[in-house]
Amino acid sequence: DVVMTQSPLSLPVTLGQPASISCRSSQSLVSGDGNTYLNWFQQRPGQSPRRLIYRVSNRDSGVPDRFSGSGSGTDFTLKISRVEAEDVGIYYCMQGTHWPPWTFGQGTKVEIK
Amino acid sequence: EVQLVESGGGLVQPGGSLRLSCAASGFTFSSFNILWVRQAPGKGLVWVSRIDSDGSSTYYADSVKGRFTISRDNAKNTMYLQMNSLRAEDTAMYYCIRGGFDIWGQGTMVTVSS
Repeated sequence: DVVMTQSPLSLPVTLGQPASISCRSSQSLVSGDGNTYLNWFQQRPGQSPRRLIYRVSNRDSGVPDRFSGSGSGTDFTLKISRVEAEDVGIYYCMQGTHWPPWTFGQGTKVEIK
Repeated sequence: EVQLVESGGGLVQPGGSLRLSCAASGFTFSSFNILWVRQAPGKGLVWVSRIDSDGSSTYYADSVKGRFTISRDNAKNTMYLQMNSLRAEDTAMYYCIRGGFDIWGQGTMVTVSS
């Protein structure tokens, strides 16, 4: 199974400042079709997760452009250019290249300092 | 509105059974794979099972294989998760998700306890 490792696990951020979350996979996530199936999810307190980013860098509809995804192979990053209060929550990366199983990172808790 | 709504959760004793349902609306249900992901209290997300759009193929996490059965009725736009031989470690919020992980339900809580 592919192991997804996120860092940091806790991220205190000042409002208006940038934030960055790293996600590493135990093997390359490049699929045989050339795509890289790496998603990012946000889970606000008391809510279901929602997808923010798919295939590394594609923002879902309605996701603010302060969120961006990047990376390749085994190393990926989610960046928030300027953190807002509504960004508080837990962020997960997930791979969908080598399945089953589909595997998630441990989650990174973003909170305001 | 594209929506998935789970139901069927509750409190069950160890060794008991429960059937979860996931009702879809707002999209062509029969065209999409559907998955279940669970989240134990205070823990992360764990994939549980997937069923292909036509029900021809199913997949299970090792932790539930042989105990859980996923199925669907495309005529009713509904997917099911039959959970047998439940254990305390199955206690979690269970989310129904459209293939691609773009649409999540609100979840249904399963508690296994005596």
